[in-house]
Amino acid sequence: GENVEQHPSTLSVQEGDSAVIKCTYSDSASNYFPWYKQELGKRPQLIIDIRSNVGEKKDQRIAVTLNKTAKHFSLHITETQPEDSAVYFCAANSPTGNQFYFGTGTSLTVIP
Amino acid sequence: GAVVSQHPSRVICKSGTSVKIECRSLDFQATTMFWYRQFPKKSLMLMATSNEGSKATYEQGVEKDKFLINHASLTLSTLTVTSAHPEDSSFYICSARDLRQGVGDEQFFGPGTRLTVL
Repeated sequence: GENVEQHPSTLSVQEGDSAVIKCTYSDSASNYFPWYKQELGKRPQLIIDIRSNVGEKKDQRIAVTLNKTAKHFSLHITETQPEDSAVYFCAANSPTGNQFYFGTGTSLTVIP
Repeated sequence: GAVVSQHPSRVICKSGTSVKIECRSLDFQATTMFWYRQFPKKSLMLMATSNEGSKATYEQGVEKDKFLINHASLTLSTLTVTSAHPEDSSFYICSARDLRQGVGDEQFFGPGTRLTVL
């Protein structure tokens, strides 16, 4: 199946600073890339997604960029707040379009 | 809309027993549901794809006789961990895709089931 790598595994930023998380994927046929936020013991929640026909998508303080040629995509969080602290997972869909394969996760800590 | 529930939320069992976990889509129909396993501070590992009315598709390395999946209706999939052992202790999460969505669209996750095998 698809192989998704995610970096960094942990990230600490000061409140108000930006945070960037990067992922790479292996299968060029993948065409959907969601980002999920998971708080401890809770279910993953979709925060933003991007399809392969666009290069960038923004939703308030959150943005995602996609480089299909290089097979990597990134999550950008600006003006970080303590409530942004959580584990973030990227994912890529399988060529058939149904399964998701997740990255290894990034534990983000926003220091007040 | 798009709510997925799981039951039970937490289960503790003795080694050797079997445990059934239910995943339900509450307000939509799901021809496809997915089962994931998550170890502490680790990623979600896809175990299998549950297809309504047909056999589940298991990921490489996942024992189908150990993790039995039944998707008997468009709103319910069950995962049975057979003859559970301490190494099966984990957080099991299901997800579902809305039947009305196209390929590659969002999966909605259940709240997860914490399994502890003594």
